[in-house]
Amino acid sequence: GQNIDQPTEMTATEGAIVQINCTYQTSGFNGLFWYQQHAGEAPTFLSYNVLDGLEEKGRFSSFLSRSKGYSYLLLKELQMKDSASYLCAVREGDDYKLSFGAGTTVTVRA
Amino acid sequence: GAGVSQSPSNKVTEKGKDVELRCDPISGHTALYWYRQSLGQGLEFLIYFQGNSAPDKSGLPSDRFSAERTGGSVSTLTIQRTQQEDSAVYLCASSLDGGGNTIYFGEGSWLTVV
Repeated sequence: GQNIDQPTEMTATEGAIVQINCTYQTSGFNGLFWYQQHAGEAPTFLSYNVLDGLEEKGRFSSFLSRSKGYSYLLLKELQMKDSASYLCAVREGDDYKLSFGAGTTVTVRA
Repeated sequence: GAGVSQSPSNKVTEKGKDVELRCDPISGHTALYWYRQSLGQGLEFLIYFQGNSAPDKSGLPSDRFSAERTGGSVSTLTIQRTQQEDSAVYLCASSLDGGGNTIYFGEGSWLTVV
C-alpha cells in the first residue's frame, strides 16, 4: 500500500496563492489525483498527473516529481469558495482503486 | 443518470440494527467503488466492482459488511448488526472501466449509529 502525507490545515488570504504538498511512497506508481471536497459534499475531481511536470488548469495547477514521490497542488487568486478540503490520491500499478491521503483543509480569509 | 446517486442521504439507526445503502452509478460506468470517510479522516477503500463481480473485497472491515451489484448497475452495501464505530459517510464512486479513468463520487450516505 501507499503512505500518503499532506498537511492537515492551511490558511491563506483571498487573492493570494497557496501550495498544498503531498508526498507518497509506493512500489509501482501509476498516477496521482487531486480532489476538492467541500464540507458535506462529494469529492470532485481537480487534476491528474502521471508524468513529471506541471499540469495547469485555470487557477489550479498540479505538479509531480516521481523520483521524489512528491506532488503539489497550487491554487492561485484564491477565492472564498476555495475553502475546502483537498485530497491527494495515488494509484499503484495496475490497481484500479485510489488510495487517499487524509486531506488538507484550506481556509480562505477575507 | 447524470451523476452518481446514493440513498439514503442520511440514516440514523440503533446499534445492532441492519442498514442498506444504495448506489446508482453513472450510466455506462462498469467500475463501482465504495469508500468510507470518518469525521476528519481520509477516504478508506471498502470494495470494488467490475461489472457484477467484486475482485477486491479486501477493504471490508468485518464480516458484518457485504455488498452486491446487480445488472452491472445499482449496488447495495449492507451493514449487519451496526456498531457505533460504523458511523461515517459511505461514499460510492464509479468510473468508465476502472482501468485508470477518473473516479466520480456520489454525495454520500451519512450513517449515524446511536
